[in-house]
Amino acid sequence: AQKVTQAQTEISVVEKEDVTLDCVYETRDTTYYLFWYKQPPSGELVFLIRRNSFDEQNEISGRYSWNFQKSTSSFNFTITASQVVDSAVYFCALLRRAGSYQLTFGKGTKLSVIP
Amino acid sequence: GAGVSQSPSNKVTEKGKDVELRCDPISGHTALYWYRQSLGQGLEFLIYFQGNSAPDKSGLPSDRFSAERTGGSVSTLTIQRTQQEDSAVYLCASSSTSGGVAGELFFGEGSRLTVL
Repeated sequence: AQKVTQAQTEISVVEKEDVTLDCVYETRDTTYYLFWYKQPPSGELVFLIRRNSFDEQNEISGRYSWNFQKSTSSFNFTITASQVVDSAVYFCALLRRAGSYQLTFGKGTKLSVIP
Repeated sequence: GAGVSQSPSNKVTEKGKDVELRCDPISGHTALYWYRQSLGQGLEFLIYFQGNSAPDKSGLPSDRFSAERTGGSVSTLTIQRTQQEDSAVYLCASSSTSGGVAGELFFGEGSRLTVL
């Protein structure tokens, strides 16, 4: 069975603060993909990143960075110098490589950035 | 259009009625997914279509739910005899596959269903 846990239901930060969104996953597969999606108030989920289970290098994209640690089954997402436009619900997801390509989503973390 | 298109965007229905939700994926995308997003519950997988293969229906919550995909493109999700617990946002997504690896999913804006 696969499971994705986002323990933080809601987070509020003041603009320009850094914030880390936690994601812990469970899978018996040795090959899998991890994703982060952003869902702004408009409702449409936007893809942010995909990470292959064989690639544990951390990734940075502008103010966004991701820390993938297989040893702790975590794939955390950090926003540096947060902005009001970062306010959204963020979902972590797990995809099996084999079988049907069924994404398992966490329940999401609602981030509010206060000006 | 360039993105995934869903209709209707909002649907209010009475308990016991049937509803149909439509999804038009991105042209050329062979994979199509339906998810349900209930308040505070995250996204729940419903069904997955990949090309001409048999769909993965493992997420459909009951036999009142069905979906089809015609001609490998447009998909319709049908909910029969709707119940109040069916109220949710129904999201459709599509993706391309390359070398057997799924690309990222592109989501539509969803169809918000309210069952009174």
